[in-house]
Amino acid sequence: NAGVMQNPRHLVRRRGQEARLRCSPMKGHSHVYWYRQLPEEGLKFMVYLQKENIIDESGMPKERFSAEFPKEGPSILRIQQVVRGDSAAYFCASSPAGMDIQYFGAGTRLSVL
Amino acid sequence: GENVEQHPSTLSVQEGDSAVIKCTYSDSASNYFPWYKQELGKRPQLIIDIRSNVGEKKDQRIAVTLNKTAKHFSLHITETQPEDSAVYFCAASTGYQKVTFGTGTKLQVIP
Repeated sequence: NAGVMQNPRHLVRRRGQEARLRCSPMKGHSHVYWYRQLPEEGLKFMVYLQKENIIDESGMPKERFSAEFPKEGPSILRIQQVVRGDSAAYFCASSPAGMDIQYFGAGTRLSVL
Repeated sequence: GENVEQHPSTLSVQEGDSAVIKCTYSDSASNYFPWYKQELGKRPQLIIDIRSNVGEKKDQRIAVTLNKTAKHFSLHITETQPEDSAVYFCAASTGYQKVTFGTGTKLQVIP
């Protein structure tokens, strides 16, 4: 049973470009969570999704950031017009329906030049 | 919303000694408290968790205690080993929703 898969592991973008981060949850998991981690800091909640629904996006910046979890395929975190402050590790976690234990992916490290 | 505070931010112990990390939470509705270990450059890994209907849980050298009245919970690591060196995060959740993390404790076990 493969774990939570994130890709790419490393992503380099220039200011103003778009970044797309993908997350495939563990098999049988229907809940996905995205977190951002700055160097030497903790994990900050961004968004919680179920298939085709955003349940809680209270931690996501109102502009430039969006997330989706389509019926088919991975969850996508999209950052438009990236700025240097977006440089961070972005972790995805998943859990099965009816359970609150979250399992994390290896993360995507975004560097904005 | 939930607020989780974690202390200390750094902790150094001699190999073989015990380490204790403490967290407090603000939302009395929180009922699930996981602990994660994150090694440098790696993903957070769940090491132990406790639910609000239990006061203590132990797994080999790791134990977690929960005081619902005081809204605090602690991680205890006994007989520490160098491979225990990592950043540890406490967290709180009201269930089936986002998990709120503490700010982390960097544990260094000195051989």
